[in-house]
This record gives sequence, C-alpha cells and structure tokens, in this order.
Amino acid sequence: EGQLVESGGGLVQPGGSLRLSCAASGFMFSNSYMAWVRQAPGKGPECVANINEDGSQTFYVDSMKGRLTISRDNAKNFLYLEISSLRADDTAVFYCTTGWGKIWGQGTMVTVSS
Amino acid sequence: DVVLTQSPLSLPVTLGQPASISCRSSQSLVSSDGNTFFHWFHQRPGQSPRRLIYKISNRDSGVPDRFSGSGSGTDFTLKISRVEAEDAGVYYCMQSTHLPSTFGQGTKLEI
Repeated sequence: EGQLVESGGGLVQPGGSLRLSCAASGFMFSNSYMAWVRQAPGKGPECVANINEDGSQTFYVDSMKGRLTISRDNAKNFLYLEISSLRADDTAVFYCTTGWGKIWGQGTMVTVSS
Repeated sequence: DVVLTQSPLSLPVTLGQPASISCRSSQSLVSSDGNTFFHWFHQRPGQSPRRLIYKISNRDSGVPDRFSGSGSGTDFTLKISRVEAEDAGVYYCMQSTHLPSTFGQGTKLEI
C-alpha cells in the first residue's frame, strides 16, 4: 500500500505565499494522476488542483484559479502546490491524494493570519 | 465545475438498521471511455478521508461487505445494510470524471 507525506504548511500572513510538498512512496507515482485537496475547519473536502501523470495537464478549482500552481517531479516522487496571495479563508488542512482518492496523506495545516 | 448534491445532510440511525445516502450530479459522470469515476469516502474527526467505494460499486480492500454502491449517470447511492458503531462519521461522494474533481457537501451519520 502506498504512502503520501505532506509538508510545508504553517502560519502565513495575508498576501503571502507557500509551497507545499508531498513525498510519495510504495506505489507507481509516475503512473498516477494526483490531486491536492483542502479542507477548511468544520467543512467538507474541496479538490483545488489535479495533475496528470506526466505533468502536461493541470486543472484548478475556479475559486482559486490564478493563485495556484500544481507540479510534480516524477524522478524524485514529489508533488507540489504553490499558493500565492493567501487570504484568511484559505486556512485549511491541505491533503495530497491520488487522483481517485485511494491514497491520502495525513495533511498539512495552512493558517493565514496576521 | 460539477456540483454534487448529497441527501440527507444528517442521518440518525440505530445500530443494526440499514442506512442510505444519495448523491446527485449536475451533469453525467460517464466519461468518453465509458467509465464513471464516482466514489464514496468516509471521514472520522481528525482523520483523512478513507475511500470505501470506487467507480460506483467497487469496494476497496478491507471495506466490509455491508457497504454497497449503485447508480449511473447522475444519480448514485451508498447503502449500509446494518449500521455498526464504527460507521459513525461523515460520508462524502466524489467525482473525478470532470476535472477538477469535486465532492458532495457530506452526510453526517449519527448513531
């Protein structure tokens, strides 16, 4: 069974930027569609970005378009998410997951506050 | 983006009784290759979501056979034949036919 481990979250001031990382192991990462999912406190999950196997196709949720960049490094088995112009309502746990949701990481908390 | 609407949002059930959750999509989830990428998840407080069912009706490894999924096109259902205490939590439907993937708003199962 595979494993995903996120990192890079933390406390950020409004207007700031972050780069989240996700280390994949135990499965064929380079053959897997991947996604970043965020879950605000007390809310349901929301997929914010998808990326295909070789990184040539990316998809973003409308509400965050223009502020997100999803990317991957198949040689290192890493998935990334860059978020810019962070706002208080971006505060959430960000999960890395395989495209159909079979494997999830434990999540990394992003808190946007001054 | 595709909107998934779950019902009910809250589901009180008695141990040993059946339970059913519905999920309706704003558009057909049948992909160009004929597959339907529709899945069900369960989440307990403080934990990551866990997938139970993939592609409408396929149970993931380790998921008890009291869980079953059905449906087609735009209407889907998750059924629990006999609810057990460990089934408490929130259930989400998700589609990954049309990207970005989207989730339903969740159904809280209360025992």
